Amino acid sequence: DIVMTQSPDSLAVSLGERATINCKSSQSVLSNSNKKNHLAWYQQKPGQPPKVLIHWASTREAGVPDRFSGSGSGTDFSLTISSLQAEDVAVYYCQQYYNSPRTFGQGTKVEIK
Amino acid sequence: QVQMVQSGTEVKKPGASVKVSCKTSGYTFMDYHMHWVRQAPGQGLEWMGRIFPDSGGTYYAQKFQGRITLTRDTSITTAYMELSGLTSDDTAVYYCVREKWYYDYWGQGTLVTVSS
Repeated sequence: DIVMTQSPDSLAVSLGERATINCKSSQSVLSNSNKKNHLAWYQQKPGQPPKVLIHWASTREAGVPDRFSGSGSGTDFSLTISSLQAEDVAVYYCQQYYNSPRTFGQGTKVEIK
Repeated sequence: QVQMVQSGTEVKKPGASVKVSCKTSGYTFMDYHMHWVRQAPGQGLEWMGRIFPDSGGTYYAQKFQGRITLTRDTSITTAYMELSGLTSDDTAVYYCVREKWYYDYWGQGTLVTVSS
């Protein structure tokens, strides 16, 4: 199984400041066939199911604000919130969909400082 | 619009089984794999398995092998997850999830509480 490891486990950022979450996979999730990284980021607010923000490592899902961006390739990835808003308080998960079983990172809790 | 509506909260005794349904609408049921993911209280996301709605073929996480059964009824575009031999460790919110490579639509979740 591919192990996904996020860092940090939690972070507190001031409103309007940048937040960066890292995700490392135990093996590459870059596909030779389609040349894409099979990596997604999800946001989960309390009492709600997760919601996809980013897929293919850097493609924003429709309707997701452009302050959210994803980067990285192979085994190392990042999710950046360029200017943290109050509504961004949530837990964020990375997930690989390169192979089965699909696996998630342990989650990163983002709070307001 | 795509909708995935799950059945309601369940309370079960240890050793019992639970069957959760996921009624879908707004898309072609056969065209997307359906996955099941659970989340224990205050914990992260755990993948349980998937079903291919067209063939009914399944793939389960090793952890749940022998205890989980995923099925579907294509006539009513509904997927099911049955988990047997419940213990307190199975107390969690269970989600059905549509896969479009990544997970693009989630059910609202079904809370299953296992308690004597």
